Amino acid sequence: ILNVEQSPQSLHVQEGDSTNFTCSFPSSNFYALHWYRWETAKSPEALFVMTLNGDEKKKGRISATLNTKEGYSYLYIKGSQPEDSATYLCAEGVYNQGGKLIFGQGTELSVKP
Amino acid sequence: NAGVTQTPKFQVLKTGQSMTLQCAQDMNHEYMSWYRQDPGMGLRLIHYSVGAGITDQGEVPNGYNVSRSTTEDFPLRLLSAAPSQTSVYFCASSYSTGGEQYFGPGTRLTVT
Repeated sequence: ILNVEQSPQSLHVQEGDSTNFTCSFPSSNFYALHWYRWETAKSPEALFVMTLNGDEKKKGRISATLNTKEGYSYLYIKGSQPEDSATYLCAEGVYNQGGKLIFGQGTELSVKP
Repeated sequence: NAGVTQTPKFQVLKTGQSMTLQCAQDMNHEYMSWYRQDPGMGLRLIHYSVGAGITDQGEVPNGYNVSRSTTEDFPLRLLSAAPSQTSVYFCASSYSTGGEQYFGPGTRLTVT
């Protein structure tokens, strides 16, 4: 994997469904993995920053896991609500490059009431 | 704290004009960066800085200049605007390299 890739590109679910997204990244110079939530007409806001293989983080109904050896992270949303509708971005921080982040294209989530 | 501020919010330029997008943060963050957001492309890094006096190129630096004379400010200069630079520009800062980034509200730029 040469770039940060996210799947799926978009997702439509019903209120109450649980869902998950995938972020794949090059693992050779891994430093950190970020997840951001981006609502329409607003700025991206950080959800999680993970650095260690096996890290698991949770914030309310949203959680994330990290596998640095195989180069992927999962974001889970339990019991989706309409207010969870947003684009979810992941980004990889690369070692020895000033901590700059390389973003994936995002997963656009739409939750219908 | 105001966080990360950007001015202007909207700007229309003609091809060949130059301008500076302003970015300031009041959180004493060392790391600052500029991104552009285009449909289907996600956020792409233009330039970044790890501290006052230190800048480096990101993924798409051509046509843009930056400087970092103070910790607080990180302006982005468009030297000769082109229609391909029509985009939404976000400035971000973080306390440390690799740390959580705080984004400004964005500047929507149109070049005709």
